[in-house]
Amino acid sequence: GAGVSQSPSNKVTEKGKDVELRCDPISGHTALYWYRQSLGQGLEFLIYFQGNSAPDKSGLPSDRFSAERTGGSVSTLTIQRTQQEDSAVYLCASSSQGVGELFFGEGSRLTVL
Amino acid sequence: GENVEQHPSTLSVQEGDSAVIKCTYSDSASNYFPWYKQELGKGPQLIIDIRSNVGEKKDQRIAVTLNKTAKHFSLHITETQPEDSAVYFCAGYNQGGKLIFGQGTELSVKP
Repeated sequence: GAGVSQSPSNKVTEKGKDVELRCDPISGHTALYWYRQSLGQGLEFLIYFQGNSAPDKSGLPSDRFSAERTGGSVSTLTIQRTQQEDSAVYLCASSSQGVGELFFGEGSRLTVL
Repeated sequence: GENVEQHPSTLSVQEGDSAVIKCTYSDSASNYFPWYKQELGKGPQLIIDIRSNVGEKKDQRIAVTLNKTAKHFSLHITETQPEDSAVYFCAGYNQGGKLIFGQGTELSVKP
């Protein structure tokens, strides 16, 4: 079946604009993660959804960042009033179990001018 | 919370040599330790994992060892090939169930 799908693959925006990044996880996967990867850097945890539990938002860097997951499936990461330091690749991953393999999408590359 | 330290940050080897990447973790409750490989422009992909009830696991040229007492685990790649060139990440789970990654190791295999 299809893997994790992210859109857009590339987004260029102006400083101060809002952006939305979308993630379609693998069907049936209950866990969904968002990570941020700056150029040449590691994977910074942002937020984690597991089933119907309250999401773990402890990695969100500021209140300009928010995420939701509708119907336990599609997730949207929203960045308000974008700043240049928000430029990065935003990776989404899903998993069928609490502890196990994560399947990553190819990421959304965000450039804030 | 969980903290995962990885080293080296870069590693260059000659084709055919072995490569070793090491990680340490802080959360003693962690019991699952995966390794991911990320090729340029792609998302990371699981290459091998180990659970805390075993000390070593092998899959062809790749092996992972775990020392729970010392809280460290290592990735070993033997007979390296140019296609092994990529960024490798170790990871560990914290008690809250979120997966925390190490800083990554950029491996370069020179033909």
